[in-house]
Amino acid sequence: DSGVTQTPKHLITATGQRVTLRCSPRSGDLSVYWYQQSLDQGLQFLIQYYNGEERAKGNILERFSAQQFPDLHSELNLSSLELGDSALYFCASSVNSGYGYTFGSGTRLTVV
Amino acid sequence: GENVEQHPSTLSVQEGDSAVIKCTYSDSASNYFPWYKQELGKGPQLIIDIRSNVGEKKDQRIAVTLNKTAKHFSLHITETQPEDSAVYFCAASKRRDDKIIFGKGTRLHILP
Repeated sequence: DSGVTQTPKHLITATGQRVTLRCSPRSGDLSVYWYQQSLDQGLQFLIQYYNGEERAKGNILERFSAQQFPDLHSELNLSSLELGDSALYFCASSVNSGYGYTFGSGTRLTVV
Repeated sequence: GENVEQHPSTLSVQEGDSAVIKCTYSDSASNYFPWYKQELGKGPQLIIDIRSNVGEKKDQRIAVTLNKTAKHFSLHITETQPEDSAVYFCAASKRRDDKIIFGKGTRLHILP
């Protein structure tokens, strides 16, 4: 157990739907990062939050959004889902001045 | 933009032999280079990292080398064992808690 908790582990949904992925960072970590992993694209950075504020944005689609709450957990919202959104979504957390990321075990999203 | 190239994409080595994975990065401001190991069904796990003021770092059977002038860095695994079979990712960032840009991964197979 890495200390980063992601729920749900698996999610199957239809095209056009909206889903919410949840991440609880390790105790004490203020930064949360979201990554998308697909077979042909590797690990793609989506977005970073630090202590509730958006800090960096990557190749995140406009249909996707995220937020970090006062208790530091984060949610990634994916809407108007397309078949191509099927992927593993990972959350990672870090202490601002500590070591590199610690990843959760991911949420596997399947859009049918 | 920032980019990390990794090769080979697949590597098979005999148990007991050495494995080498090579990466290049594009952003000369990068100064932190972690390596992650991802086993099936799990999130990536940090195995070793190196900062730009160090040319080489070793941890038991794993070593990383960095050539900042050429923007190259490599992972060396000696005396490979079956449990080394996994996907390995190199990555780069501008500091330890900044967003990390990943290579596309190397699938390492250890042959009996």
